[in-house]
Amino acid sequence: DQQVKQNSPSLSVQEGRISILNCDYTNSMFDYFLWYKKYPAEGPTFLISISSIKDKNEDGRFTVFLNKSAKHLSLHIVPSQPGDSAVYFCAASPSGSGANNLFFGTGTRLTVIP
Amino acid sequence: DTEVTQTPKHLVMGMTNKKSLKCEQHMGHRAMYWYKQKAKKPPELMFVYSYEKLSINESVPSRFSPECPNSSLLNLHLHALQPEDSALYLCASSQADIDKLFFGSGTQLSVL
Repeated sequence: DQQVKQNSPSLSVQEGRISILNCDYTNSMFDYFLWYKKYPAEGPTFLISISSIKDKNEDGRFTVFLNKSAKHLSLHIVPSQPGDSAVYFCAASPSGSGANNLFFGTGTRLTVIP
Repeated sequence: DTEVTQTPKHLVMGMTNKKSLKCEQHMGHRAMYWYKQKAKKPPELMFVYSYEKLSINESVPSRFSPECPNSSLLNLHLHALQPEDSALYLCASSQADIDKLFFGSGTQLSVL
């Protein structure tokens, strides 16, 4: 059973516009969430994280929003750039339990059109 | 140094071959991981080493054999693999009991 879900396998956005990637989770014990970015034939790279004590975390063009009641998080990229084209994975865990309890979503492929 | 280095980047092997994948990190992380990733799928956890001891083996077939010679190095020994084992093999590390993983760039393995 997939505990972290990314229901959109792909997303295309025009350069300069906002990209919104969504992620849903089912386990109410999850309280730490991360987004990873992955280029083809490379390992995932950590992008941004958020813990459940916050509902928003911002880092430059990237903002993650957490809605605990809906068990939903989203990643906003503004403005989107062609170099942002990659697969984005969200991941979740009960914090402090170690990365071996990290559950990944299936990924969303973002294409930013110049 | 915030890198996890994996070698080789690409590997093609026959089903009777023996090969090894190598991983190195110098961030002082005490937890190291092997993941397997197929195209369009999330990474799947295979093994976890914590303080150089194998702490988790996620029911991986014995044709995959991990080894942690020291706190900076992690190997994955491969023997008698099957074509369905073809995938991207990722090494990762983290501070113990911290959820954030640092991944290497992976070894793209093809089994013929």
